[in-house]
Amino acid sequence: GAVVSQHPSRVICKSGTSVKIECRSLDFQATTMFWYRQFPKQSLMLMATSNEGSKATYEQGVEKDKFLINHASLTLSTLTVTSAHPEDSSFYICSAWTGGGTDTQYFGPGTRLTVL
Amino acid sequence: AQSVTQLDSHVSVSEGTPVLLRCNYSSSYSPSLFWYVQHPNKGLQLLLKYTSAATLVKGINGFEAEFKKSETSFHLTKPSAHMSDAAEYFCVVSDQNSGYSTLTFGKGTMLLVSP
Repeated sequence: GAVVSQHPSRVICKSGTSVKIECRSLDFQATTMFWYRQFPKQSLMLMATSNEGSKATYEQGVEKDKFLINHASLTLSTLTVTSAHPEDSSFYICSAWTGGGTDTQYFGPGTRLTVL
Repeated sequence: AQSVTQLDSHVSVSEGTPVLLRCNYSSSYSPSLFWYVQHPNKGLQLLLKYTSAATLVKGINGFEAEFKKSETSFHLTKPSAHMSDAAEYFCVVSDQNSGYSTLTFGKGTMLLVSP
């Protein structure tokens, strides 16, 4: 149980285009989903926290107009990288939290974004 | 504020020898602590977690970690390394004071296993 999927797993796009990444909790409902970014050989950095039906909370330094997050249901959150540039190339990982008494987050397999 | 320090960026061992990955933490509250493993170009897999129950936590694949409050440490160990253990390992502390779980990651330790 507690499986999180991401789609696509890998995407290459041209500079200036927008890319949407989906994060789904497959066998549970996620009260909260998180989006992380991981640069090569570095740790994960939290970008934003999204709760179903409300606006996402962005970490300091993350542009909310560039990284649009939508959490339309308890099993789906999307991250859209708008007007992507080469410096946005990274590994994006989502996680899902069921809420309640647990503090365990379940991570998706990640999406490798390459902007040419 | 909470933080995690993984003391080694790389650890190299031979197959069949013990593994020790070191982690120190700082937290204002009673923390929850995790170890995650990440294989190349893959997501994170939870190895084990500590949540104020037993201080010695057993995880998957033969890994275990001991919570030592006096030393603010949560080192990960395994008696005998396998080639398949080669991966990046992250020590993580959770802050539940915000109402949900906010994770702070260490910088990671790359475990290299030689035949």
